[in-house]
Amino acid sequence: GIQVEQSPPDLILQEGANSTLRCNFSDSVNNLQWFHQNPWGQLINLFYIPSGTKQNGRLSATTVATERYSLLYISSSQTTDSGVYFCAVITGANNLFFGTGTRLTVIP
Amino acid sequence: ETGVTQSPTHLIKTRGQQVTLRCSSQSGHNTVSWYQQALGQGPQFIFQYYREEENGRGNFPPRFSGLQFPNYSSELNVNALELDDSALYLCASSAWGTPETQYFGPGTRLLVL
Repeated sequence: GIQVEQSPPDLILQEGANSTLRCNFSDSVNNLQWFHQNPWGQLINLFYIPSGTKQNGRLSATTVATERYSLLYISSSQTTDSGVYFCAVITGANNLFFGTGTRLTVIP
Repeated sequence: ETGVTQSPTHLIKTRGQQVTLRCSSQSGHNTVSWYQQALGQGPQFIFQYYREEENGRGNFPPRFSGLQFPNYSSELNVNALELDDSALYLCASSAWGTPETQYFGPGTRLLVL
């Protein structure tokens, strides 16, 4: 079955620091999204990135489909970046299979 | 905000009871998916509705059922509630065939005592 693993599970940063989150996925999928879940539970789409690199402000993401991994970069982190970051793959049935998540805490 | 709304925001039930959760999809979206997120875990796919019919289901028992209405809004019904049903229930709307356009509602937090 589908396997999606994220690392690290927890990350604590000082405000202003940079970070890299990783998502490894099995070879049965090749479409990937990144989400941010804020402390109130709202899931926000960050990137749809089946391959290549995309940037949106301080966030960027890279997916190397041939090696089955994706990276999410957060630069100059802010306290509002705190929350849980999920990667999710799109299954053949057009639904999302979520990874284990990385909990990010940004300290002022 | 995504334009997807859910009600109620919080709910407390006891074991054995039944619950109905509601979701209104974003304008222009005709597909609704439901997810269960237990504490400390990622969301898990329950089922998806398109054209008022179930179109795909995750590993959930039949006591989890749903409906979609002509205006594309949806309900999730859970019968015979169990303690493990305590979770955040998320709905997401999208245009058919474009799961990458799924936008999530704020969720309903269900506590089963």
